[in-house]
Amino acid sequence: SAVISQKPSRDICQRGTSLTIQCQVDSQVTMMFWYRQQPGQSLTLIATANQGSEATYESGFVIDKFPISRPNLTFSTLTVSNMSPEDSSIYLCSVMDSPYDYNSPLHFGNGTRLTVT
Amino acid sequence: LAKTTQPISMDSYEGQEVNITCSHNNIATNDYITWYQQFPSQGPRFIIQGYKTKVTNEVASLFIPADRKSSTLSLPRVSLSDTAVYYCLVAGAGSYQLTFGKGTKLSVIP
Repeated sequence: SAVISQKPSRDICQRGTSLTIQCQVDSQVTMMFWYRQQPGQSLTLIATANQGSEATYESGFVIDKFPISRPNLTFSTLTVSNMSPEDSSIYLCSVMDSPYDYNSPLHFGNGTRLTVT
Repeated sequence: LAKTTQPISMDSYEGQEVNITCSHNNIATNDYITWYQQFPSQGPRFIIQGYKTKVTNEVASLFIPADRKSSTLSLPRVSLSDTAVYYCLVAGAGSYQLTFGKGTKLSVIP
């Protein structure tokens, strides 16, 4: 299964600033997903990032707040813009084994723990 | 998207078998049931997947009755290191956008 590395692993940022999170995969993958996990909560899907197309955002998430890049089949970035304390969460990158099987398991990085002060 | 329902939390003593049941009444014909395990400060980890009857691997077993409206994850002889949150997911009729429920927080007691 794919090995996923995220950078940074954690950061403390001031409100009003932006942070870009990097996700590197050790193999080429078509579908990448960005999730958010607020303290003590479950995971919420932010967007799906496929190489060569614009990211698709879930309800409640917009491109201006969470711009995503997907320059190639092994890399993606998620930017959290104009941060507020409510953005304090763990942000997780994930990939799917097979783009042709929607039942294919997901594999996750260890996440980026963001604290906004 | 198929919705799943699990107990919020469970406690177990070390060495016991733990069974976590998940309800998914609206599961579609082509949907599989997938379970993930999440330790603190880590991303979820895939542990087992099944379609019907019984699936077993080195970590767990998954039991799925004929109507497929529920499934049971079985962890044999749990240890303290099995303390984690366990999520049951059903993709839902061809959707690649998975929705995680609240999961079951398993606490293993010495």
